Amino acid sequence: EPEVTQTPSHQVTQMGQEVILRCVPISNHLYFYWYRQILGQKVEFLVSFYNNEISEKSEIFDDQFSVERPDGSNFTLKIRSTKLEDSAMYFCASASRGQGSQPQHFGDGTRLSIL
Amino acid sequence: AQKITQTQPGMFVQEKEAVTLDCTYDTSDPSYGLFWYKQPSSGEMIFLIYQGSYDQQNATEGRYSLNFQKARKSANLVISASQLGDSAMYFCAMREPNFGNEKLTFGTGTRLTIIP
Repeated sequence: EPEVTQTPSHQVTQMGQEVILRCVPISNHLYFYWYRQILGQKVEFLVSFYNNEISEKSEIFDDQFSVERPDGSNFTLKIRSTKLEDSAMYFCASASRGQGSQPQHFGDGTRLSIL
Repeated sequence: AQKITQTQPGMFVQEKEAVTLDCTYDTSDPSYGLFWYKQPSSGEMIFLIYQGSYDQQNATEGRYSLNFQKARKSANLVISASQLGDSAMYFCAMREPNFGNEKLTFGTGTRLTIIP
């Protein structure tokens, strides 16, 4: 069964450094999302993306964050200058449709640790 | 106000028993969707079941079923004949209309532990 692939599985970065989290969505999906989950807390929406532009972003997704679909397969989340509070599990998700009964399929996540 | 409320932070259930995980939601939009995801200790998010606001029947998917009570705004997940592998966090999530690309709003989750 096709799946969403995220790399790396774990990223350790010094505070203030830039980090890029990578995702390969399911190949025929057109709608893409990033969520994050701080340890022990609920999953929070960061940003949604369709047709090469952001559809919606949350308050968390400030100027330090950006997303890009550089080619036909990758979808990346960049954090320009990481802070301690950026430590979390980051999930990429994709869907064949942006609405309706089609679920968002999640990757296994990237655990980001900021030192 | 919370859009998704899961009032059971943790539950312990004997193997082979049925278990109900509660979820209530808050929305003023008539069109919405409700999803349940399972998160094992390994961390991945696994889609379990979906219920649309206009669906006339409760959703079922193998051992999973959804007790959808629209007037009460509840969408409880029922797992029949629980197994040790069902031990995990379970999240209820809601999708509301947003110009065709609809984010999920998650509840705080319920940690289910199945006892042998």
